[in-house]
Amino acid sequence: DTGVSQNPRHKITKRGQNVTFRCDPISEHNRLYWYRQTLGQGPEFLTYFQNEAQLEKSRLLSDRFSAERPKGSFSTLEIQRTEQGDSAMYLCASSADRAGANVLTFGAGSRLTVL
Amino acid sequence: AQSVTQLGSHVSVSEGALVLLRCNYSSSVPPYLFWYVQYPNQGLQLLLKYTSAATLVKGINDFEAEFKKSETSFHLTKPSAHMSDAAEYFCAVSGSGSYIPTFGRGTSLIVHP
Repeated sequence: DTGVSQNPRHKITKRGQNVTFRCDPISEHNRLYWYRQTLGQGPEFLTYFQNEAQLEKSRLLSDRFSAERPKGSFSTLEIQRTEQGDSAMYLCASSADRAGANVLTFGAGSRLTVL
Repeated sequence: AQSVTQLGSHVSVSEGALVLLRCNYSSSVPPYLFWYVQYPNQGLQLLLKYTSAATLVKGINDFEAEFKKSETSFHLTKPSAHMSDAAEYFCAVSGSGSYIPTFGRGTSLIVHP
């Protein structure tokens, strides 16, 4: 078990460019989450997958954002036509599908800077 | 709807002193409550969780938290702070539907020698 892996760890891009982040969850976890964290704030929920199905999306997830989880394994989060307001840490987390408290295992995050 | 309020964006203590980080929650259903810690350049890690089994929850590194329904609180404490405890601490609540946790804004713990 290597934990949750996120790549790239850092991305600097110019406004208007597209960026894609990848998340590899813990292999036996079928739930996968994307959160966004800005300076001085806690993680804000973006979207959630159970296996390959995207079950919930936050209002924060504008139409420039798209997330996929093909085959229920890794996930990608793409941001099109980036804006300076997209600069943030993008966190991925996974959890096992069991009743009771849902404990998330987080990756180290992918930091996006939009110039 | 569920939410968490963490009082104090920064808490400063001396090494060896008591640590108290405050968290109040709002939830329309019986909640699950969590404290996570984030060290620099690392992902959030679970410190402890409340799942209704016991109101006093013990976690890693001598941290503990007490669920008080009447006060809708879940404050985090540690009897004696270590320099290595300096980090960002997040309280989170879940409990309805998909059990997606909602996080507070975080409290930065500063430990002075």
